[in-house]
Amino acid sequence: AQTVTQSQPEMSVQEAETVTLSCTYDTSESDYYLFWYKQPPSRQMILVIRQEAYKQQNATENRFSVNFQKAAKSFSLKISDSQLGDAAMYFCAYRRPSGNQFYFGTGTSLTVIP
Amino acid sequence: KAGVTQTPRYLIKTRGQQVTLSCSPISGHRSVSWYQQTPGQGLQFLFEYFSETQRNKGNFPGRFSGRQFSNSRSEMNVSTLELGDSALYLCASSLASSGLLSTDTQYFGPGTRLTVL
Repeated sequence: AQTVTQSQPEMSVQEAETVTLSCTYDTSESDYYLFWYKQPPSRQMILVIRQEAYKQQNATENRFSVNFQKAAKSFSLKISDSQLGDAAMYFCAYRRPSGNQFYFGTGTSLTVIP
Repeated sequence: KAGVTQTPRYLIKTRGQQVTLSCSPISGHRSVSWYQQTPGQGLQFLFEYFSETQRNKGNFPGRFSGRQFSNSRSEMNVSTLELGDSALYLCASSLASSGLLSTDTQYFGPGTRLTVL
């Protein structure tokens, strides 16, 4: 079974600084998808970024980028120029190539300090 | 496009009762998945419906069931409620386009907060 591990339950960052959230996963599959979701206090899960395993290029979305290391099964999220609105719980998720079941990590609570 | 909607947003029930939660996916999305979120267990997959058929199922007891209608709307039912069923129940929809390498992304609703007393 696939497992997703987020080893940092809590992180904090100064406003305008950069922070990296870690995620590792365990799988025997070669093709899959990885996602980062954000869950602010409103509890609405919001897609931040996604990465296809067959792509070597790391995904970027504005201030958000990932460092995808397939061999190491690592998928970290970098948030640049952190803003107060980035404060939320961040979940890493794995999706198999077929079917639509997502496996989520336990989340990292990010605090942004003004 | 309207997002995923879930009703009701909050619900209080007592042990032994049953409850039905509803989810309306984004227009055009054919797959609906349900998750239970608790502080202790995190996000756990309940099941996924696609074209009115359950396609995947997580490790939950038979008290948890669901269905999907022809318009892709989905309902989740929990019978004989237990205190441990108190949680945020999230619904997510996706296009579920065909092909092994579809870049399907799930879009989540705001959730239904269920409290069992």
